[in-house]
This record gives sequence, structure tokens and C-alpha cells, in this order.
Amino acid sequence: DGGITQSPKYLFRKEGQNVTLSCEQNLNHDAMYWYRQDPGQGLRLIYYSQIVNDFQKGDIAEGYSVSREKKESFPLTVTSAQKNPTAFYLCASRPRTSGGATQYFGPGTRLTVL
Amino acid sequence: AQTVTQSQPEMSVQEAETVTLSCTYDTSESDYYLFWYKQPPSRQMILVIRQEAYKQQNATENRFSVNFQKAAKSFSLKISDSQLGDAAMYFCAYRSPNTGNQFYFGTGTSLTVIP
Repeated sequence: DGGITQSPKYLFRKEGQNVTLSCEQNLNHDAMYWYRQDPGQGLRLIYYSQIVNDFQKGDIAEGYSVSREKKESFPLTVTSAQKNPTAFYLCASRPRTSGGATQYFGPGTRLTVL
Repeated sequence: AQTVTQSQPEMSVQEAETVTLSCTYDTSESDYYLFWYKQPPSRQMILVIRQEAYKQQNATENRFSVNFQKAAKSFSLKISDSQLGDAAMYFCAYRSPNTGNQFYFGTGTSLTVIP
């Protein structure tokens, strides 16, 4: 079955540590996105990538980094510079064809900083 | 950046009744897409319905329909014959064909379905 997978589902991190969240898709989608979701704030865009080896900052990129070495994968690293990293993180992808306006989401990763 | 506003943080509806969730957006673009996503307690985001701005006809998907008012920049979601499984957070989203095809989300409306 085609889809988007995120791992792990729950992640715990100590303050000062970097941590990487995985996002993989086998939908052959060109564009991929990372969002952060906090209570009462909806989804906020962290980074997005429209093609391999290219990505752009979203509205809240500070303290995060990404890479896009393969079309299928778009990992997000939460660095120690992120002041308040505890949140729910959602990865999404979208085909680049003219009719491909819809974004599809993975199941999410809940990150908790201890 | 475009903004999307959902002014109803919480709504409730009796099972089998109809409910309308509101969404307004701010943009200077003429061509764009609008979406409603559902997020149940599992937190998996599910596409409910989408609307292309160039289409005058309102989109419909089974019990879900929208009222798209382009001039008023309004995009409401109507759920007919509400079911218990409709209980979820609902997010309105705007996609710009410019600015890298970014999506902009509202803050969500929590829908409760009363048996």
C-alpha cells in the first residue's frame, strides 16, 4: 500500500540533544513538508521541499534542519537551538502534477523534551 | 503571508443533524485552492474536501459540502446527517500556487457530535 510513514510515533529527548524525525513516502510525490502542531495553533510550516536536493524555510524554521537526498525521504532534525521543541510533528507530501494540489499526511510523531 | 481564520474554536451538533463550520481567508491572489481537513483523536489528518478558486460550483463529497464565496473570501463546510464518527478537529487550509505552493492552516474547530 502506498502511503507516508513517520517514525517513531513517540520520541523523548533530553534538553540539549539533537533528534531526527523520519518521514518516508512511497507515493512518488515530489513535494514534501514538515509541520509543527501545538494546541490551539493549528499547523505551522517548518520546512518544505519541492524537489530532491532543494528545500525552503517555512514560517518557523529556526532550530530545525532538513535534508532531501532522496525523493522518498525528508528527515527533520530538531536541534538544541529549538527553545520549545515539545510538540506534535506532521510530515506531508504532494504530487507536483497540475492536478496534484492535495497534500497527504503521515500519522505524526509526538516529541517530548524531558 | 496568507491568513486563514476559523472563528469557532468549538461546535456541537446532534447526531443526524446538520452543522456548518466557518472559515475566512485573506489573499490578494486570484487562483488558489481551499481545503477542509479532519483530524480525529488518532491525529491522522484526512482530506475531507477541496475547492479550486476558479470553479464557481461548490464542491460536494457525500455528506460534506462547501459554500465558497470568493468575493467574501469565505469557505464554510456543511456536514449533513452528522454521525458520531464525524467528531474531530476540522482545519481549513489555503494553498497558494505561488510562494512555493505553501499551505496555510486555520487554528481548527473542534466538533462534538451528541448522540
